[in-house]
Amino acid sequence: NAGVTQTPKFQVLKTGQSMTLQCAQDMNHNSMYWYRQDPGMGLRLIYYSASEGTTDKGEVPNGYNVSRLNKREFSLRLESAAPSQTSVYFCASSASGGAINTQYFGPGTRLTVL
Amino acid sequence: RKEVEQDPGPFNVPEGATVAFNCTYSNSASQSFFWYRQDCRKEPKLLMSVYSSGNEDGRFTAQLNRASQYISLLIRDSKLSDSATYLCVVNLYNQGGKLIFGQGTELSVKP
Repeated sequence: NAGVTQTPKFQVLKTGQSMTLQCAQDMNHNSMYWYRQDPGMGLRLIYYSASEGTTDKGEVPNGYNVSRLNKREFSLRLESAAPSQTSVYFCASSASGGAINTQYFGPGTRLTVL
Repeated sequence: RKEVEQDPGPFNVPEGATVAFNCTYSNSASQSFFWYRQDCRKEPKLLMSVYSSGNEDGRFTAQLNRASQYISLLIRDSKLSDSATYLCVVNLYNQGGKLIFGQGTELSVKP
């Protein structure tokens, strides 16, 4: 039982390049999330998917797109990377989006945009 | 004003000390509350949920004061392994169960 996995672990991009961050969970969870974490800012929600087939914007969606490919997988795409997107990206999942909403996190992707 | 505010620390304490972290939240619609722990350069992990009556898990005690919109975490008999960043988290159930994270409080326990 791997929990939440993310690929890649590290990535360096040049400004304007595109890339997709992959996330998968094997806990049969309905809800999945993408966060970014910057020093002194805490985790901020980029996009989330309450259930398969639905996605919604979070606090900082600009510059990103997501795809909930199936129940297991939720990808995050940067179409034209900018230095401001240098951050650590965490994917998370939870059984549901309800009040008792324990989220389980992947190990993170450390992205640097030059 | 940030939705969830914590003292960023760092808190530097000797082994065996008792340390308390405080957190305030601004949205009165917040439904449930958590403390997560994050080790350096690792992912956050749930430490404990916070219930209205307060709850304890070993050396850790969490308290909630809804009237004051205040959450606390008390760690007794600190261990070296408690060194980490502690994240205060609230759940906005009326917004699809979104979690709002505080910026975290860093704890360093010294021998």
